[in-house]
Amino acid sequence: GAVVSQHPSRVICKSGTSVKIECRSLDFQATTMFWYRQFPKQSLMLMATSNEGSKATYEQGVEKDKFLINHASLTLSTLTVTSAHPEDSSFYICSALRGEAYNDQSNQPQHFGDGTRLSIL
Amino acid sequence: QKEVEQNSGPLSVPEGAIASLNCTYSDRVSQSFFWYRQYSGKSPELIMSIYSNGDKEDGRFTAQLNKASQYVSLLIRDSQPSDSATYLCAPSPHQAGTALIFGKGTTLSVSS
Repeated sequence: GAVVSQHPSRVICKSGTSVKIECRSLDFQATTMFWYRQFPKQSLMLMATSNEGSKATYEQGVEKDKFLINHASLTLSTLTVTSAHPEDSSFYICSALRGEAYNDQSNQPQHFGDGTRLSIL
Repeated sequence: QKEVEQNSGPLSVPEGAIASLNCTYSDRVSQSFFWYRQYSGKSPELIMSIYSNGDKEDGRFTAQLNKASQYVSLLIRDSQPSDSATYLCAPSPHQAGTALIFGKGTTLSVSS
């Protein structure tokens, strides 16, 4: 199966700290990865689309200077929350699409990591 | 912008019953659908995908798609307490390489 590893699973840190979250595809190459955020009792909200070797595409209302995304290889994307504040506390989840060709790539499912619970004190 | 409508629930069923989860969508272009299950505090996991009109069965799960009615459903037979979770329906994106957009999902509670 398609395995996506996300690390760390939980972070608790002081306000003003920068936090890096890693998302790795373990058994496939992921040309595209996505970053979502989920607040309690809310739906998953897409933050950005990360493509290997190019700049991420951010959704409206997501600050690109605050949420830095790097997709330097076909198996790794990172999200760095810079100068995190309590309002950034949330559940951050990455997902990945396989890089190999499908007959119809729009029918590819996304494979999710286990998520990172970020708590800013 | 695609819109997906799901009854947020909670949908409560007794153990052993059939749970029926429904999803309607507004975009006629959507070709396929994915059902994800999300346990509380966990990330979503793919349980089924369906591309063609009709039924698709996988164990205790059956997905049903009716493109003319823009309706997709998930039936869970012999519901178990371990099925208690939020179920998310997501249509495939128009463009390859773009993200799935999720609604709030339906919360299912199976009582023993």
